[in-house]
Amino acid sequence: GAVVSQHPSWVICKSGTSVKIECRSLDFQATTMFWYRQFPKQSLMLMATSNEGSKATYEQGVEKDKFLINHASLTLSTLTVTSAHPEDSSFYICSANTGPEQYFGPGTRLTVT
Amino acid sequence: QKEVEQNSGPLSVPEGAIASLNCTYSDRGSQSFFWYRQYSGKSPELIMFIYSNGDKEDGRFTAQLNKASQYVSLLIRDSQPSDSATYLCAVNSAQFYFGTGTSLTVIP
Repeated sequence: GAVVSQHPSWVICKSGTSVKIECRSLDFQATTMFWYRQFPKQSLMLMATSNEGSKATYEQGVEKDKFLINHASLTLSTLTVTSAHPEDSSFYICSANTGPEQYFGPGTRLTVT
Repeated sequence: QKEVEQNSGPLSVPEGAIASLNCTYSDRGSQSFFWYRQYSGKSPELIMFIYSNGDKEDGRFTAQLNKASQYVSLLIRDSQPSDSATYLCAVNSAQFYFGTGTSLTVIP
């Protein structure tokens, strides 16, 4: 299957700082990537759809000014959590489509202290 | 009504038994269907996809699709403790919709 990578795999930051998470499609080009958040023992929550060369589409209730998404190339999308707070601590997972199939990155565990 | 519905479980089966996971979807026009496995603390991994009515087999896994009844299922034969995970059903209907997942425990 297709490979999607994420970096970093885990990050600890202080409250009020910003954190950037990278998502790359390694062996295919992805015009669309997706960002999910998952809290412990809960289901995946789609945060936004990242479109190469255009603005991201955010799901209802997701603050676009807090979760900045940049999809600058066909293989890279970034999610920046700005002014992070402890309630932003979560597992952030990106995914990308190749054809009708969607593949997930390994996830980034963010802890805000 | 949710786009994709799954029984959250937990489902427990003894080692060696067949585990049966079910999923229903609401959009009759959906064309592609997927099963993901998610281990605790890990991201989902695509294990099966099916596009046509009927059965599709891959090793110990069989996906079954019935578009008329709008359900898709996953059978795991000879279940192993390593199959213990949450299984997510997903449907591609203009966009991806995920179920909330079924937790499976295989008891040694």
